[in-house]
Amino acid sequence: DIQMTQSPSTLSASIGDRVTITCRASQSLSSWLAWYQQKPGKAPKLLIYKASSLENGVPSRFSGGGYGTEFTLTISSLQPDDFATYYCQQYGSYPRTFGQGTKLEIK
Amino acid sequence: QLQLQESGPGLVKPSETLSLTCTVSSGSITSISYLWGWIRQPPGKGLEWIGSIHSAGNTYYNPSLESRVTISVDTSRNQFSLKLISVTAADTAVYYCARHFLSEAARGGFNYWGQGTLVTVSS
Repeated sequence: DIQMTQSPSTLSASIGDRVTITCRASQSLSSWLAWYQQKPGKAPKLLIYKASSLENGVPSRFSGGGYGTEFTLTISSLQPDDFATYYCQQYGSYPRTFGQGTKLEIK
Repeated sequence: QLQLQESGPGLVKPSETLSLTCTVSSGSITSISYLWGWIRQPPGKGLEWIGSIHSAGNTYYNPSLESRVTISVDTSRNQFSLKLISVTAADTAVYYCARHFLSEAARGGFNYWGQGTLVTVSS
């Protein structure tokens, strides 16, 4: 199985900040990586696929980057709606695996 | 807008079988382009992919659960189902159904999700 490791586990930030979450894979994924946002009591929402492609309807302040084993999710200017938990997920091989999550908190 | 809805018992006894159904609406489960999957999330923890199925019947399972899991599809009802046998307290989780792409070269990820259903394993 491909292991996905996110850092940090928790991130405290303020409205307007630029934040970056990192996801590392135990083997190369090419660009087969997705990012999700999850709010309490809700299903995850797909933000980014293929490492850097923005899902329809997702605000442009979200961006993804990386290739191979290291990937990033950046939020350019934090909005109140962005405080949530973020997960990366690889779809380069089965079984599909997720990172452990990064909780983005208000400072 | 495609919608997915999980249904099934919220309480299952240890050693028994967990059974859930996902009903797909405003779209056909028979589309050849998609797989239909189950993902779970223990309370306060992360996401675990359980397995996926294509409407043609091809299945993909997480090896960590494969010996206990069966996913099936009923195209006449536009539904797919999950059975997990010999459950323990460790199987307590919110169970989600979701759609992803059969060929993820162009697009990927689970792009439609059900709202999730909490299944508690307890006597």
